[in-house]
Amino acid sequence: KQEVTQIPAALSVPEGENLVLNCSFTDSAIYNLQWFRQDPGKGLTSLLLIQSSQREQTSGRLNASLDKSSGRSTLYIAASQPGDSATYLCAVTPMGTYKYIFGTGTRLKVLA
Amino acid sequence: ETGVTQTPRHLVMGMTNKKSLKCEQHLGHNAMYWYKQSAKKPLELMFVYSLEERVENNSVPSRFSPECPNSSHLFLHLHTLQPEDSALYLCASSQTWGGMQETQYFGPGTRLLVL
Repeated sequence: KQEVTQIPAALSVPEGENLVLNCSFTDSAIYNLQWFRQDPGKGLTSLLLIQSSQREQTSGRLNASLDKSSGRSTLYIAASQPGDSATYLCAVTPMGTYKYIFGTGTRLKVLA
Repeated sequence: ETGVTQTPRHLVMGMTNKKSLKCEQHLGHNAMYWYKQSAKKPLELMFVYSLEERVENNSVPSRFSPECPNSSHLFLHLHTLQPEDSALYLCASSQTWGGMQETQYFGPGTRLLVL
């Protein structure tokens, strides 16, 4: 059974820092991995989707990497801003199913 | 705005009440989803509808009853709920069900409290 773990559960950093969020999954047989952002009282917004054949994806200050063989992904946020404060969730789509399996998220707070 | 709306945004109900959650998507998608998000737990998929037919039911108790009258609307009918059903209920949609490159678009959720 696929399980997704995110560490740390919460993170507080000063503005301007570069930071890394971690996601690990137990079964490497996946179609893709996706990173989402969730703001308080709001739904999820997709940030980056990495197909299983890809190693990384970039969007602005965000870079996500995927190491399928070791069951790990990282989300790198450059020059963090207070507006980046949110909960970040990763999800994998296991092969043989089209259902997302989510991690419990990392709650990020960027201090001004 | 993601193009997926949910009403109500907040709901308090007693264990004997009957209520319904509504989701509407304005994206022309053919697949819709209900998720449950409880504190300290990962999002759990509850139901999936594709072209108005239910294609997934993740062992959800019968006190939750979904309905999809057309591809733009999805309901979750609630009756005789338990306090442990208190959670954020999220609706999502995607262009199709079963695509390996599909991205789901989420609504803001309904925060449900069962007393």
